[in-house]
Amino acid sequence: QKEVEQNSGPLSVPEGAIASLNCTYSDRGSQSFFWYRQYSGKSPELIMFIYSNGDKEDGRFTAQLNKASQYVSLLIRDSQPSDSATYLCAVKGSYNTDKLIFGTGTRLQVFP
Amino acid sequence: EAGVAQSPRYKIIEKRQSVAFWCNPISGHATLYWYQQILGQGPKLLIQFQNNGVVDDSQLPKDRFSAERLKGVDSTLKIQPAKLEDSAVYLCASSLDGWAGLDYNEQFFGPGTRLTVL
Repeated sequence: QKEVEQNSGPLSVPEGAIASLNCTYSDRGSQSFFWYRQYSGKSPELIMFIYSNGDKEDGRFTAQLNKASQYVSLLIRDSQPSDSATYLCAVKGSYNTDKLIFGTGTRLQVFP
Repeated sequence: EAGVAQSPRYKIIEKRQSVAFWCNPISGHATLYWYQQILGQGPKLLIQFQNNGVVDDSQLPKDRFSAERLKGVDSTLKIQPAKLEDSAVYLCASSLDGWAGLDYNEQFFGPGTRLTVL
């Protein structure tokens, strides 16, 4: 079983700050990388996905991928209390599968 | 557009009993996934169907878990007999198609069924 690792947190940041969430993965053949947000007691919802090295921005969210270092991160700018949730990193493995392998998630707390 | 439906939302059973979960995917979605999410962990894929065929069931404990997707629409996941370690949220997800190369067909998750085994 290939692994996806995240710090479980909690990561606490003040409102308006940048939250930085990190993820490493073990399978060098991994093709695509995903960030899901999961509020307590709710199901995961997709925030962003990235498959090229570099940055991908969507509103307040930026995903960063470094395949050489097997590292993917999510930056949340201008963090809001409503961003408080668990953020799950997921990795799609080989080219011919849509199977996702999830990390354990990082719990983010944004305080006013 | 209606989302993925699951029932029941909650279930409490004693160990060695059996239980079944039901999932109705988004209309038109060919691929259906069952995940197990234990408290404090990320979802783990149990089984993936494309239409009514199994694509991946490598992490399904086949001695006690079974799943079917008749007619390529609804699906049921069964546990028989249940163990204490089966306590988890069982998530069903669906997507338009299973494989899209580098592109991605988003998986939409249902609300989940929270199973407690006593």
